[in-house]
Amino acid sequence: QSVLTQPPSVSAAPGQKVTISCSGSTSNIGNNYVSWYQHLPGSAPKVIIFDNDKRPSGIPDRFSGSKSGTSATLAIIGLQAGDEADYYCATWDGSLSAGGVFGGGTKVTVL
Amino acid sequence: EVQLVDSGGGSVQPGRSLRLSCVVSGFTFDDYAMHWVRQPPGRGLEWVSGVTWSGRGVGYADSVKGRFTISRDNTKNSLSLQMTNLSPEDTAVYFCVKDSYSGLCTGPGCRAHFDSWGLGTLVAVSS
Repeated sequence: QSVLTQPPSVSAAPGQKVTISCSGSTSNIGNNYVSWYQHLPGSAPKVIIFDNDKRPSGIPDRFSGSKSGTSATLAIIGLQAGDEADYYCATWDGSLSAGGVFGGGTKVTVL
Repeated sequence: EVQLVDSGGGSVQPGRSLRLSCVVSGFTFDDYAMHWVRQPPGRGLEWVSGVTWSGRGVGYADSVKGRFTISRDNTKNSLSLQMTNLSPEDTAVYFCVKDSYSGLCTGPGCRAHFDSWGLGTLVAVSS
């Protein structure tokens, strides 16, 4: 069971929007920054959001992140077939010794 | 180009040991903390262990504490994970991961994230 809670799956048609929630607590999301990762099976995960809402170079602005209190959200607009992947939120937990924590992952399906 | 090449995985029996390695290139290795993150079959990502840029600071998930040892050799641009007393629950793909900072998070306001990943190496523990 993951420390951070994400919905197992979300889906939408091409061109539509999906949002993925990530719920935690004051010891993790509430006091630290959140990052998001896109993972296609068989490949290396890739950071798409860091510092709650910043995009690395090369990540399209269709991807956006936000944080409020002990929850974070990833939004993908203008959904494309290539966005079909697993998405994970991550942060750090002050109750653990230098411990990273992940959400359970959300499968995005493009209908 | 940043590259992380992880290796050393394989099939082992419960109670045995295995050593994973990761060789990196494309960045100044001793400027950054490094981690191991694993993904059990059909499940999500799990942080396993991290080490500071110097190797003097380490951290472990409770599930591996006392059994796994992370280390690095900055002269060889390499990261290692010594795994002992393996159990079937350790079966997973193990990823070598680069941190965005030099140290490990120990307090609130942590901004570090995992900015580069290897392709992973599979560890299968069964009798």
